[in-house]
Amino acid sequence: LAKTTQPISMDSYEGQEVNITCSHNNIATNDYITWYQQFPSQGPRFIIQGYKTKVTNEVASLFIPADRKSSTLSLPRVSLSDTAVYYCLVGDIFVKAAGNKLTFGGGTRVLVKP
Amino acid sequence: KAGVTQTPRYLIKTRGQQVTLSCSPISGHRSVSWYQQTPGQGLQFLFEYFSETQRNKGNFPGRFSGRQFSNSRSEMNVSTLELGDSALYLCASSLDVGRSTGELFFGEGSRLTVL
Repeated sequence: LAKTTQPISMDSYEGQEVNITCSHNNIATNDYITWYQQFPSQGPRFIIQGYKTKVTNEVASLFIPADRKSSTLSLPRVSLSDTAVYYCLVGDIFVKAAGNKLTFGGGTRVLVKP
Repeated sequence: KAGVTQTPRYLIKTRGQQVTLSCSPISGHRSVSWYQQTPGQGLQFLFEYFSETQRNKGNFPGRFSGRQFSNSRSEMNVSTLELGDSALYLCASSLDVGRSTGELFFGEGSRLTVL
């Protein structure tokens, strides 16, 4: 399984863009990159997933360079409610026989200030 | 569509006791995974069940066990509780068929306090 490294914490202000970079140097050919968000005392929630280049949905964008050894989650114009822990996961999501092998690292604690 | 339901939400036990936690996955989901979350160790994978079979297991002692029923509902059990077992226990289900993305849907967790 590809190991991931992401910053422990980041501070931002309301209305700013937050970019969280995750390193995964030994990502495998079939691995996808998935990001989850977790609020205190709640389970993580899926944000976005991608394989290469750029993926965008209603809440975030995911940028993946050609070598796929890193990825950046971008949260546009954050609000106080975006204060949470963000986890980067890497794994082969389609190998059903292998089951769920997604491992959560320490995550990045994002604090949005007024 | 109902989400993942975990019961009980909160419980307090004493050292040496055992505890059983329950998880009802989203209807149609056959994979159920369990995680332990503590401030010091973060979110750690316990085990995963699919069609009543344990498919993956994390690095936890044998005191931690689980099972899955034919309706995909799952239970986990912790025997001979230790103070360090105090944690938020999270259950997640996923569709896990065909080309599904493997997205995990988490419940709100069961917060266990061991005194």
